[in-house]
Amino acid sequence: DAKTTQPTSMDCAEGRAANLPCNHSTISGNEYVYWYRQIHSQGPQYIIHGLKNNETNEMASLIITEDRKSSTLILPHATLRDTAVYYCIVRSRNTGTASKLTFGTGTRLQVTL
Amino acid sequence: SAVISQKPSRDICQRGTSLTIQCQVDSQVTMMFWYRQQPGQSLTLIATANQGSEATYESGFVIDKFPISRPNLTFSTLTVSNMSPEDSSIYLCSVEDRASGGTYEQYFGPGTRLTVT
Repeated sequence: DAKTTQPTSMDCAEGRAANLPCNHSTISGNEYVYWYRQIHSQGPQYIIHGLKNNETNEMASLIITEDRKSSTLILPHATLRDTAVYYCIVRSRNTGTASKLTFGTGTRLQVTL
Repeated sequence: SAVISQKPSRDICQRGTSLTIQCQVDSQVTMMFWYRQQPGQSLTLIATANQGSEATYESGFVIDKFPISRPNLTFSTLTVSNMSPEDSSIYLCSVEDRASGGTYEQYFGPGTRLTVT
């Protein structure tokens, strides 16, 4: 699986949008971009994933550049409960079966008042 | 998505002893995984728990140290054997389950925090 690069940490004011970048310049055509987050003392939580189109769900939006070499996770209105480590993972997929999730060091997002 | 529980949630153990961690899922799932998260570190996959056959271990992890059972599609155990302080970590169970969009994604349990003294 391709390697990802994320900033070590970021701050965001509560109520503002949090934009978390991820570089994955070696991504291949069949690899998806996944985002998970881990709130302190909890297991990782799946957020969103995408291949090449932008994706949105109830938690976040995922913007993938046209060349797919980078992406941005957007939390539109960050709250204190969004304080967590956010992991960007590139993962190949086989229909109905799992491929490994390889976690990097992630971005520690601190949401402040 | 599947609801995953783990027992115990935390434990403090003496070196040289063994601890078995249980993972229970509220629905049948094909794929179950065990991860380790050492203090201040990211997650590392230990093994894939295969139902009806031996687990598939990642490089650096061996069956003698981390024996795994998977007797059915809703349950698995991970044993940390002959523990040393270096085994102090959070151990997480993960399953692959169908997401709301119809794809299959991995979901994680709450973890077991192990401290070895």
